[in-house]
Parts: sequence; C-alpha cells; structure tokens
Amino acid sequence: QVQLQESGPGLVKPSQTLSLTCTVSGGSISSGGYYWSWIRQHPGKGLEWIGYIYYSGSTYYNPSLKSRVTISVDTSKNQFSLKLSSVTAADTAVYYCAILDTAMVTLDWGQGTLVTVSS
Amino acid sequence: DIQMTQSPSSLSASVGDRVTITCRASQGISNYLAWFQQKPGKAPKSLIYAASSLQSGVPSKFSGSGSGTDFTLTISSLQPEDFATYYCQQYNSYPLTFGPGTKVDIK
Repeated sequence: QVQLQESGPGLVKPSQTLSLTCTVSGGSISSGGYYWSWIRQHPGKGLEWIGYIYYSGSTYYNPSLKSRVTISVDTSKNQFSLKLSSVTAADTAVYYCAILDTAMVTLDWGQGTLVTVSS
Repeated sequence: DIQMTQSPSSLSASVGDRVTITCRASQGISNYLAWFQQKPGKAPKSLIYAASSLQSGVPSKFSGSGSGTDFTLTISSLQPEDFATYYCQQYNSYPLTFGPGTKVDIK
C-alpha cells in the first residue's frame, strides 16, 4: 500500500514562498495510473483542493490559487512538491498530499503538516 | 466551481443510533461523489466513492446513496469510533470541491 509523508518548514514569513515535499513509499510515481495531489485545511475549517500532477509532469491547479502555485515531480526521488508564492496569513493551514486514481477518486492521504505564515 | 453543501452542520447522537447526513451539489454531478471521515488532529480517511461504493476496508455500516445533486451518507449503528467530522466531495469537474463538513458528536 502506498504511503505518503509531507515534509517542509512549519513556519514561513509573509511574502515568501511556501515549499513542501511529499515522499511516496510502497509504490512508484513513475509507474503511472495515479494523480498526485495537494489539499489544504485552514485551522478549524474545511478542505480546499490545491491541484495535482501526473508523473509525466502535467498539472492542474485550482483557479483560486493558480497564479501562486507550482506542483512538480521528481521521479528519481519518488517525490512531488508544492510551492506557493507570496504567502499571507490566509495561507496558514494543514497541508496534505494525497493520491488520486484516474477517475479522480482520492485513495489515501498523508498525515498532513501544519504551515504557519507569520513574521 | 461546483458548490457543495451539507446538512446538518452538526448533530448529536447516541451509540447505536442510525445517522444520516445529506450533501447537495449546486449542479448535477452524476455519481461523482465521495465521502471522507476526519477525526481531530488526523488526516481525512476515504470512506465512499462513486456515491455508494465502499473503499477497501471500510465497514458495511457505512452506506451512501444518491445521484445528480442530492446524496446521503448513512451510518447504520453509530459506534464510539464513528464520532468524527464527515465531508462530501465532488470530483465531476475541476476544481474538486468539498462540502463544509458535518460534525457527529456524542449526545
């Protein structure tokens, strides 16, 4: 069974770029057949889908964040990453990575990592 | 974007109760509807996809139904481990969107 683990700084200063990595174990990103996604949850709030990447590098981003988001993949390390630029306090959230099948069904989630935006 | 609503926003129930949560989409999504369970401090867990199909390992006390715009999640006999927040999600069109959640707590 595929396992996902987020990593990255827990504190980011306003206007800087948030960078997170999701390490995949128990399966290979490059084998295809799945989409690799980021989702966030503001403290005490609901869930917001950020976007996905396929092993080939094709991406889709939520239009609400598209101008600031980049998702990339490193198949040699079996990782995919999220960059969110020009962050503000409104980007403070728990960030989850997740695996979706080709029908966009979410199969499993990482444990999540809290990122706080503060000076 | 497709807007998802859920009702109620919270409910109190007793162990053994039958619980039903409703999810409504702002436009038709066929059966491209998933349900997730989230416990405090934990990642969501996938329960149901395609409106009524159970994810592997999910107990049969959970069931889903609906198509188009109206959907339900039913827990047939509530157990202590089922007290959590439940979210619906549409994956009919981009961006994928979630409902605001229904918190199920102990009466």
